Amino acid sequence: QVQLVESGGGVVQPGRSLRLSCVASGFTFSHNGMHWVRQAPGKGLEWLGVAWYDGSQESYADFVKGRFTISRDNSKNTLYLQMNNLRAEDTALYYCARFYGDNGGYLDYWGQGTLVTVSS
Amino acid sequence: QSALTQPPSASGSPGQSVTISCTGTSSDVGGYNYVSWYQQHPGKAPKVMIYEVTKRPSGVPARFSGSKSGNTASLTVSGLQAEDEADYYCCSYAGSNNLVFGGGTKLTVL
Repeated sequence: QVQLVESGGGVVQPGRSLRLSCVASGFTFSHNGMHWVRQAPGKGLEWLGVAWYDGSQESYADFVKGRFTISRDNSKNTLYLQMNNLRAEDTALYYCARFYGDNGGYLDYWGQGTLVTVSS
Repeated sequence: QSALTQPPSASGSPGQSVTISCTGTSSDVGGYNYVSWYQQHPGKAPKVMIYEVTKRPSGVPARFSGSKSGNTASLTVSGLQAEDEADYYCCSYAGSNNLVFGGGTKLTVL
């Protein structure tokens, strides 16, 4: 069965960096675009960005451009989110999710999330 | 890339129908037939209920339906059941492989 397991979250000071990982299993990882979505405590879902199925391109929400980088290693079935210059407002549960279909597709499998807390 | 606009709350009694709206712009909701809806119970990951405006993934009850008119998409839950109480988020393709979510609607079954 499809599984997505995020890791790498924790407490980090403002201005520092953190790299999240998402290990996938149960499907051919290199066939699907993979997305990062976050959810601040008590708040809604916020799309962060996507890595193309083959890792050739990424796309980002405007508010994370220049600070966050998404990458993937298809040989390791792993998606990454490098977050730099973290701010208090980046405190959230970070989910990775598999995209199924083309532009008209949807996020069909989600991990359980990894919590990032930015605090001094 | 502004968030799509959803009402913060909606409610209905068991057996009734409730509709949740999701308003965007011609650059997202109005520009593509690529709206999806996600259900999220407390402490759980989101689950897709509708995709491509009107389609239901396998396993989603037929009580859930979607529609769109202009820049506004809607999710209708018919025959409300207690387990439908959850947060609901719309999501639209916004061009250049970008997605945008709505702010979420808390559905209460009275």
